[in-house]
Amino acid sequence: DVKVTQSSRYLVKRTGEKVFLECVQDMDHENMFWYRQDPGLGLRLIYFSYDVKMKEKGDIPEGYSVSREKKERFSLILESASTNQTSMYLCASSTEETQYFGPGTRLLVL
Amino acid sequence: QKEVEQNSGPLSVPEGAIASLNCTYSDRGSQSFFWYRQYSGKSPELIMSIYSNGDKEDGRFTAQLNKASQYVSLLIRDSQPSDSATYLCAVKKGTSYGKLTFGQGTILTVHP
Repeated sequence: DVKVTQSSRYLVKRTGEKVFLECVQDMDHENMFWYRQDPGLGLRLIYFSYDVKMKEKGDIPEGYSVSREKKERFSLILESASTNQTSMYLCASSTEETQYFGPGTRLLVL
Repeated sequence: QKEVEQNSGPLSVPEGAIASLNCTYSDRGSQSFFWYRQYSGKSPELIMSIYSNGDKEDGRFTAQLNKASQYVSLLIRDSQPSDSATYLCAVKKGTSYGKLTFGQGTILTVHP
């Protein structure tokens, strides 16, 4: 059974804090993704990675960075959290054809 | 023009009716098409994929693809209240490391 896990379901942070969101998959997938989801805007791709230490910007990378030191783990970093980064963050890993999503992290930045 | 657009919704249908969800895409190089279902507070899950023109049926779900018109749809027959969710259309280009472009989603409510 495929499994993608995220480090937290809910997170509350203060403006200016550095925030780490972690995602782990156990399917040996090459590709991993970070999205944010906001009402009316759908899923927007922040960054993706197609191999260890390889990453590419998605549609909205500003204010975010990522790290992929091991194949199974893909981290999203908010260098200095801002209130407009309050959102639902979804991680996914994929074969070439199918994406599997983690449960999501709902982040509130105060 | 958005790369992937879905009918705006929300869509409300009575139990037992057919729900029709529509999606258009702008990139003619798109090759793979997916429908994800997302229940409130949950993450998306894949329910259908389609790669060639025509219909693909899986139980009560039918996906339809027309590449000439750049149009993909999802029909849900005999809709049930448990089908109430947001449905996301996603499109993949030929070689893209599994990267998908999602529509904004259509909220479906099936009322008893």
